[in-house]
Amino acid sequence: DAKTTQPNSMESNEEEPVHLPCNHSTISGTDYIHWYRQLPSQGPEYVIHGLTSNVNNRMASLAIAEDRKSSTLILHRATLRDAAVYYCIRRSNDYKLSFGAGTTVTVRA
Amino acid sequence: SAVISQKPSRDICQRGTSLTIQCQVDSQVTMMFWYRQQPGQSLTLIATANQGSEATYESGFVIDKFPISRPNLTFSTLTVSNMSPEDSSIYLCSVGDVGYGYTFGSGTRLTVV
Repeated sequence: DAKTTQPNSMESNEEEPVHLPCNHSTISGTDYIHWYRQLPSQGPEYVIHGLTSNVNNRMASLAIAEDRKSSTLILHRATLRDAAVYYCIRRSNDYKLSFGAGTTVTVRA
Repeated sequence: SAVISQKPSRDICQRGTSLTIQCQVDSQVTMMFWYRQQPGQSLTLIATANQGSEATYESGFVIDKFPISRPNLTFSTLTVSNMSPEDSSIYLCSVGDVGYGYTFGSGTRLTVV
């Protein structure tokens, strides 16, 4: 049970922002929200994580709703190298990551 | 973040045989996990490799089929035993530290013929 819901796919144009939504309506107060991406033929790569506040790093931004039932991963300027499957995951107190189907992001040149 | 070396990167094995996959980390880590990714699918957690004790397996995975060793804080092995074609998958190890993201190995692509 992945416990998160994401769209199956999204398309973007190069140089434009990408907003990837994720629903986690049953999240508990201590669950962290993690995002990973998997490029073809590679292992998943950490993107960002957060608990309550919005987070920024060199790869992306994570906007977390005030009620924590949803979040959005923001890629500010998509490049062709950002084409991947993006996974939104709840990390619970047992520290396990449960992967759902993810969102396949396609970037058009 | 930790750097993981996973070996072998790929292998083709005969049914009925076993393959041991190694996961070496460049730093001591508390949490280490093993995943399976079947063709075209997402990742499924097999087990948590605990240092100094038996691994903790997820539903649908058993120790006889996927024995795991964790002799120290930088190394673990996963064995896929008595293989059948249905075991053809990518197997990945992952490590994590509290407060940080998790790091994944590049995976072992296993084909059973």
